[in-house]
Amino acid sequence: AQSVAQPEDQVNVAEGNPLTVKCTYSVSGNPYLFWYVQYPNRGLQFLLKYITGDNLVKGSYGFEAEFNKSQTSFHLKKPSALVSDSALYFCAVRDTVQLSFGAGTTVTVRA
Amino acid sequence: NAGVTQTPKFRVLKTGQSMTLLCAQDMNHEYMYWYRQDPGMGLRLIHYSVGEGTTAKGEVPDGYNVSRLKKQNFLLGLESAAPSQTSVYFCASSHRVGSNQPQHFGDGTRLSIL
Repeated sequence: AQSVAQPEDQVNVAEGNPLTVKCTYSVSGNPYLFWYVQYPNRGLQFLLKYITGDNLVKGSYGFEAEFNKSQTSFHLKKPSALVSDSALYFCAVRDTVQLSFGAGTTVTVRA
Repeated sequence: NAGVTQTPKFRVLKTGQSMTLLCAQDMNHEYMYWYRQDPGMGLRLIHYSVGEGTTAKGEVPDGYNVSRLKKQNFLLGLESAAPSQTSVYFCASSHRVGSNQPQHFGDGTRLSIL
């Protein structure tokens, strides 16, 4: 079965600093990887996905993610974090019909 | 655009009561899903549907039933609610899997079982 792991429960950064949220995956075959963001009392919102092609994927709100096959990682990055980026972030992998989600990483960006 | 709409947004039940959560999508998506979200556990799939009239079990289906009588609606039922079913429930929809399109989520139903 496919799975993802998010090794950090929380990430704290200062506004303007780079933000990285880590994700590692375990799949058999080609990985289909996704990042979602959840703001308080809201559903998940799609940020970006990796299917094939370039290892650097660009998404919504200035986020990007780097796919690294040798390290089985798909880390989410933003060069300059904003206070409004404070939210819960989920990495996910497609497993046939289903998405398998990581446990989530809470990001806090302080002003 | 409404997207995915969940009804109700909040509910408190007593142990043993039954209820139905409604999910409606207006994007003509073939696939629909029900998840539960619990602290520190991410989202876990309860049931899903690949089309009108078809449903399948996900990771945590026990204690729940679903129906998809119309393409745009996906109902989640709790026949006899238990405190362990206290959670936030999310509905999602997507185009067919082969297109690798992302899932679109509703804003959730917060359910407490006393």
